[in-house]
Amino acid sequence: SQQGEEDPQALSIQEGENATMNCSYKTSINNLQWYRQNSGRGLVHLILIRSNEREKHSGRLRVTLDTSKKSSSLLITASRAADTASYFCALRGGAQKLVFGQGTRLTINP
Amino acid sequence: DTGVSQDPRHKITKRGQNVTFRCDPISEHNRLYWYRQTLGQGPEFLTYFQNEAQLEKSRLLSDRFSAERPKGSFSTLEIQRTEQGDSAMYLCASSPGQANEKLFFGSGTQLSVL
Repeated sequence: SQQGEEDPQALSIQEGENATMNCSYKTSINNLQWYRQNSGRGLVHLILIRSNEREKHSGRLRVTLDTSKKSSSLLITASRAADTASYFCALRGGAQKLVFGQGTRLTINP
Repeated sequence: DTGVSQDPRHKITKRGQNVTFRCDPISEHNRLYWYRQTLGQGPEFLTYFQNEAQLEKSRLLSDRFSAERPKGSFSTLEIQRTEQGDSAMYLCASSPGQANEKLFFGSGTQLSVL
């Protein structure tokens, strides 16, 4: 299966702390993307990292990709209450569809 | 610029009834995707269109599901003879049509089958 597996399934931290989520996969990919979903809403794209890239930054977000280990991590620094959401990694292989993992539910406590 | 629009936001139906959802993608986006999401799970791919052509359909999609994009703009997803297991959030997404690009999602249609 191309689906990514995310770890942890749930994460609860204090506001201001950093949050790290991981995604592991088994097949080759063209790129890996991270999305955020607030409860009952659609998904919002956060960042895309291509298979030939190792690290990307966007604001308080940092994504790494290790193709030899078939894993990626999403780091959110200086977390805020508004970061409370579910975070999904999504894989794009040779096909056009994007395959999503089961997500990490992040809760930021004030 | 409007985002991806889905209608209705919520749909409650009785088992055995047919339902139809509509998705209006971002204008000039060539690709349109349908996903299904149940509580606590990630979105599950259903099908996608390149303009009006339906290019891929999930093997998980039964014959009761059909999707169309007749003029390459809006799309409809119909579920015939609904079952309780069809209860889920149905998400639509679009993209410009370039390889490896990101998806823009609508807010979804929440279906409850009683």
